[in-house]
Order: sequence, then C-alpha cells, then structure tokens
Amino acid sequence: GENVEQHPSTLSVQEGDSAVIKCTYSDSASNYFPWYKQELGKGPQLIIDIRSNVGEKKDQRIAVTLNKTAKHFSLHITETQPEDSAVYFCAASRGGFGNEKLTFGTGTRLTIIP
Amino acid sequence: DAGVTQSPTHLIKTRGQQVTLRCSPKSGHDTVSWYQQALGQGPQFIFQYYEEEERQRGNFPDRFSGHQFPNYSSELNVNALLLGDSALYLCASSYHNTEAFFGQGTRLTVV
Repeated sequence: GENVEQHPSTLSVQEGDSAVIKCTYSDSASNYFPWYKQELGKGPQLIIDIRSNVGEKKDQRIAVTLNKTAKHFSLHITETQPEDSAVYFCAASRGGFGNEKLTFGTGTRLTIIP
Repeated sequence: DAGVTQSPTHLIKTRGQQVTLRCSPKSGHDTVSWYQQALGQGPQFIFQYYEEEERQRGNFPDRFSGHQFPNYSSELNVNALLLGDSALYLCASSYHNTEAFFGQGTRLTVV
C-alpha cells in the first residue's frame, strides 16, 4: 500500500521567515495530494491541495509543489505569522478528491517564534 | 453550515466494552470516512461509507464496524475495546470528487 514520509517532524522559524515541509510517497498511482493543518484539540483543516496534472499551486502565503517523477511534494509558507503555529500533515490518495482513502504523513509541528 | 459534527467529544470506556461514535456529514456530502489518530501520529484510514455500504477498508480488525444511514450520517462501532484503541477518532465527509472535510473528532480513552 501507499506509504507517505514527512520531514521534518518539528520546525521552528522566526516570524516573517519562510517554512518548508517535505513529503515523499511510494504509490505511483497516487494523484491527489492535500495538506492539512491541525490545531490543538481540533480536527485537520484542509489548507491547500494539488492534483498530479499540476506542478505548483499557490494560495496567498501558501504554496505546494509536486514532482511526480521523484514522488515528492512540498508545502511552502511565506511571511509566517504566529497563527501559523500548528501541526501540518501531508497526505496522498489515488482517487482524486476524497472518494479514496487518504494516507497521511506523520506530521510536522511548526512553531513560529515572535 | 455546521460542517462535520461528531459526538461525543470525549468518552472513557473500560477494556472489553463496546463503543459507538457518531458523525453527521457536512450539508450536501454523501460520503463518510473514519480515521483513527493515535497521539503524535497522522490519521489512519479505518473505512469509508457511500450509499450506506462500506466501500473501502483499511488495516483494522473486524472489531471495528460501521454504518451509514439514509440521511448520510454514520456510526463507528468498536467491540471488545483494547487499551491500544485509545485515540482521536476522526470523521471526514465529501461529495463525489470534492475535498474531504474533517470533524473535530472524538477522543476515546480506554482504561
């Protein structure tokens, strides 16, 4: 089955700097790659996603890049703010948008230092 | 729109007991998936329900079962609880090929 690895497990950045989280996946049939943000005591919140026919997608301060050949994708957060502090999860699936199971990475705890 | 709602938010059960968790999907969504999230880990897929049938299942024993009702709401049942079943149980809903939205989860503690 699919295996998703995520690095780093913890990341601390100065407010205003950029943060990058990287994931690799094993199943070449995976074609949908969402990123979730999870705050303490809450469920995961979708922040951005990308399909395999796109190499990059951006939404304000957040961007995701995908390299299908290398089977890796990354989350980029620019101009970080204290409210960006949370645990971030990458995930992968075969079936597009939510109708196939999501395989998650182990998470990255991001801390923004004021 | 209330989004995905789960109940209860917390519960404590004794080893060997049975538990039922409930989920109401986001308005307009017809597919419900359940995930188990152990402390410090990413969510693990348990199973998915669509049109009242289990469509996909992850690597979980038969002690984990579910149901989807005609109004698309869903239940997760766990029998013969083990200490290792202690986790946050997440419900996610989606509609056909749309993104999955998660509820806030039910924190289950088995003692």
